[in-house]
This record gives sequence, structure tokens and C-alpha cells, in this order.
Amino acid sequence: DTEVTQTPKHLVMGMTNKKSLKCEQHMGHRAMYWYKQKAKKPPELMFVYSYEKLSINESVPSRFSPECPNSSLLNLHLHALQPEDSALYLCASSQTGGNTGELFFGEGSRLTVL
Amino acid sequence: LAKTTQPISMDSYEGQEVNITCSHNNIATNDYITWYQQFPSQGPRFIIQGYKTKVTNEVASLFIPADRKSSTLSLPRVSLSDTAVYYCLVASTDSWGKLQFGAGTQVVVTP
Repeated sequence: DTEVTQTPKHLVMGMTNKKSLKCEQHMGHRAMYWYKQKAKKPPELMFVYSYEKLSINESVPSRFSPECPNSSLLNLHLHALQPEDSALYLCASSQTGGNTGELFFGEGSRLTVL
Repeated sequence: LAKTTQPISMDSYEGQEVNITCSHNNIATNDYITWYQQFPSQGPRFIIQGYKTKVTNEVASLFIPADRKSSTLSLPRVSLSDTAVYYCLVASTDSWGKLQFGAGTQVVVTP
């Protein structure tokens, strides 16, 4: 199984809603990532987890709250988002997190904030 | 982190070879060069990674000159399905986890 599965594929939420994005992998990878991608732009790194601990937070606003309940799961909790947060949110995993390895990406969750 | 520069777009015909050059003038000794491909509304997909000289796999070749200040991704005999955005990344073993994507090159293959 070489897949990273993200749910939901599409999400529409109001600025006062609370929602979550979920990501799952069963490749035994110990590093997991959240990226944000706006239209016609490259993916931007948001968070990195290594061995279930948050290792990198790229100065992401607190309205985005990551969580790694176990080595296979990664969540992104969303609260009080702004319309400019509308984007494709990509989850990825890698074997360890050393930068010489391959990142496996999911297909993304497309978020629209009204 | 080393900054990368690559062309914004390239056009090609089916069956031709496409070469995309990426500039990374401030690459460090421990940095690796990695390329990803992305189709619309999908996550990026790893293509190839190299440190120096030439690396080849079933999809592409990666040429890296001795000074490592640039690299060229070569896609042999492209087809319509190779239309995608191609990203060059410099992955540093000194910046654990920080894989930052550059602007990418939109490759369009026409019949």
C-alpha cells in the first residue's frame, strides 16, 4: 500500500465553523507533512511531524491546529478561517523525514471558506 | 535553503525530448536535487533525485554538472499525459523536513 489518503476531498465552511481534515498512511512512514497550495502556486510547507511529535511549524496562524494521534494518522483542525485560507491542503509522508527521501502525497482536500 | 530558478513554462510536441533546467547557485555540499511532477488537482509525485553526474530511472534522467549549480531534468519522448507542472527542489540534509517547492515549470505537450 503506497497511498496517502485524505478526507474529505472537498470541504466548504463558514468563517465561524470548526472542521477537520484527515490524512492516513499505512506505509510505516514516521514523518508526516501538511502543505497548503493556492491556485497556480507551488505547495507551501505548513507543518511537519516526526515520530508523532511536531517538529516544524512554518509560522502558521493558530486557526490551523495540527494533530498526530498515531504514526498513521494526521489531522488538521480548522477554526475561524478566513476566505483567503481557501486552498488545496496536501498531506504527505516520508520514511523518516530526512530530505534525501521521497515524499508521498495524497490527492489533497480542497477547502473553500465562505 | 538553496533557492531554485526554473523556466515558467515550456511547450513541446508528442514524441520529443523535453529538458528542463533548474538553477541553484547557492547549493550546499550536503544538498540533493529532487524533482516532482504535479497534475491539476492532485498531489505532487516524486520523479527523481540525484547528487551529482547522472541519474536515470524508468521515467526520466537527471543531469548534474560538476559544479552542481544547475541540473537538467530530461523527459524522453513525451506524450500528452506528461503535461504537468514540474518542480525542482534542493533538499538539504542540514534543514531536516524543510522541503520547499520552487515556482515550477508548466510543461504543455501537444499532438
